[in-house]
Amino acid sequence: NAGVMQNPRHLVRRRGQEARLRCSPMKGHSHVYWYRQLPEEGLKFMVYLQKENIIDESGMPKERFSAEFPKEGPSILRIQQVVRGDSAAYFCASSPIQDPQPQHFGDGTRLSIL
Amino acid sequence: GENVEQHPSTLSVQEGDSAVIKCTYSDSASNYFPWYKQELGKGPQLIIDIRSNVGEKKDQRIAVTLNKTAKHFSLHITETQPEDSAVYFCAASIRGRDDKIIFGKGTRLHILP
Repeated sequence: NAGVMQNPRHLVRRRGQEARLRCSPMKGHSHVYWYRQLPEEGLKFMVYLQKENIIDESGMPKERFSAEFPKEGPSILRIQQVVRGDSAAYFCASSPIQDPQPQHFGDGTRLSIL
Repeated sequence: GENVEQHPSTLSVQEGDSAVIKCTYSDSASNYFPWYKQELGKGPQLIIDIRSNVGEKKDQRIAVTLNKTAKHFSLHITETQPEDSAVYFCAASIRGRDDKIIFGKGTRLHILP
């Protein structure tokens, strides 16, 4: 039973480029959450999605960031026109529809902006 | 919104001794408190959780206590082993409302030989 899969594990982008981070939830899970972790910090909630729906995006920056979870395929976190401050580890978590807790985390994507 | 404070930020204990990490939360509506362990280069792994209708929960060497009145909760690890070295995060959530997890800033636990 595969866990939450995130790819790529490491992503390097130059300022102004786009970053696309992918998350495949655990089998049978239909809730996806994205969190961001800065060095030496805890994780901070960004967005909560169910299939084809954004449930809560209160933690998402208003500009340049978007997320989707289509009917088919992985959830995508997209960051447009990246800046140095976007450098962080981005984690995805999933949970089943029957009970949103606990959430199970992937091993993250480490985004570095040159 | 919810705020979770965690201390200490770093903790060193002799192998075999106990480790205690303490957290406080601000939103009395929080009703679910997971604890995560994060090793270098990995994602957080759930090690134990407690719901607000329970005051204490134990799983082998790990126990968690919750004081709803004081809005305090703590993680206790007994008979520590080298593999317990990691960063530990406490967290709070309002299960059944928005379910987003609010994390503390973490405790780096070092187990000394």
